Amino acid sequence: IAGITQAPTSQILAAGRRMTLRCTQDMRHNAMYWYRQDLGLGLRLIHYSNTAGTTGKGEVPDGYSVSRANTDDFPLTLASAVPSQTSVYFCASSDSSGGPTGELFFGEGSRLTVL
Amino acid sequence: GQNIDQPTEMTATEGAIVQINCTYQTSGFNGLFWYQQHAGEAPTFLSYNVLDGLEEKGRFSSFLSRSKGYSYLLLKELQMKDSASYLCAVMDSNYQLIWGAGTKLIIKP
Repeated sequence: IAGITQAPTSQILAAGRRMTLRCTQDMRHNAMYWYRQDLGLGLRLIHYSNTAGTTGKGEVPDGYSVSRANTDDFPLTLASAVPSQTSVYFCASSDSSGGPTGELFFGEGSRLTVL
Repeated sequence: GQNIDQPTEMTATEGAIVQINCTYQTSGFNGLFWYQQHAGEAPTFLSYNVLDGLEEKGRFSSFLSRSKGYSYLLLKELQMKDSASYLCAVMDSNYQLIWGAGTKLIIKP
């Protein structure tokens, strides 16, 4: 089934540990995004990539890094996790070949708890 | 600053109609989007408005007034499966999506 796969779906992590959330899409979308979703707040953009080989910072990039080595994969790394990074993380993609679009396709999310 | 406002929670009865409002103040405007998110699941795209007026898609309709910075999502013939959060998002002048916190819709039999 075409779509976006995120892994892990859930993880408990000790503060200070390094963690990579994986995201893979098979729709050949050129744009990909990482969001975090916290109770009472809207989705907040962490990092994005408009095309393979390029990345950009979103609204809340501090403490996170991304890479986009190819079209399909867009991993998010927490270099040294802190409790404030406890959240649900969503990876998303869009087909922006015809221009920017707000029609995003989301993965099922990764629930991360940092203790 | 940029801001999207929508009610935190609404309750409606199965079979009825409900209107979920969204007001926005953003740096530029390149479209307004509505998403549905069931509890514990990913958001899914519902509708897109870039011009003023009403867009109808089955039981769901979305309205936009750019001059008022206002949109609503209208859900007709409510079903229990419509219980979900509804997210309003605006694409700003930099083509970045600004998201509201979402409206949790509770449907009662």
